[in-house]
Amino acid sequence: RKEVEQDPGPFNVPEGATVAFNCTYSNSASQSFFWYRQDCRKEPKLLMSVYSSGNEDGRFTAQLNRASQYISLLIRDSKLSDSATYLCVVNKGYSTLTFGKGTMLLVSP
Amino acid sequence: NAGVTQTPKFQVLKTGQSMTLQCAQDMNHNSMYWYRQDPGMGLRLIYYSASEGTTDKGEVPNGYNVSRLNKREFSLRLESAAPSQTSVYFCASSEMGATSGANVLTFGAGSRLTVL
Repeated sequence: RKEVEQDPGPFNVPEGATVAFNCTYSNSASQSFFWYRQDCRKEPKLLMSVYSSGNEDGRFTAQLNRASQYISLLIRDSKLSDSATYLCVVNKGYSTLTFGKGTMLLVSP
Repeated sequence: NAGVTQTPKFQVLKTGQSMTLQCAQDMNHNSMYWYRQDPGMGLRLIYYSASEGTTDKGEVPNGYNVSRLNKREFSLRLESAAPSQTSVYFCASSEMGATSGANVLTFGAGSRLTVL
């Protein structure tokens, strides 16, 4: 299993749709999990951290499943502005983070 | 509120030339990082500095050197550029180590490097 694996997509959805991304990770000792968003030709920016109990931020919900070693991101009521690449990020050791290759989301009118 | 500032934004080099990418952060962060991003490869860590005075290799350090000049600045040097180093380079900083629940990476806008 790769360290952090994501479906590259693209996921093509209409406005208002609900879309979900999964990400699997290989290191069972990982403790920190994040979703970052990267717009085309821009830098990645933190979307949300992922906590063991799951967490929600507006239309976005993140879940962690330690037993199966995956995290998920659910986006409800998709907006055109949600079009971006979503990066799954997991800590590797104390000081570094490993990034997945990203899942591309395209929201159409 | 500058955050993380990288220079230059764009650079074209010939094979064998050297250059230094500069990075500075004004958030008083302890840790700083250099990543490269290539199509289909995602972000890969080149070097990092967990705190002032320390540097460590990441996943792809060959062909690069770094200097943590002070708490604010972390530079990346290509001593003899190769076409394989054509990439987008991102500098990032964070308040503390990766296992901290408070750790969040703040990235610079990126430096696009082409080696001919």
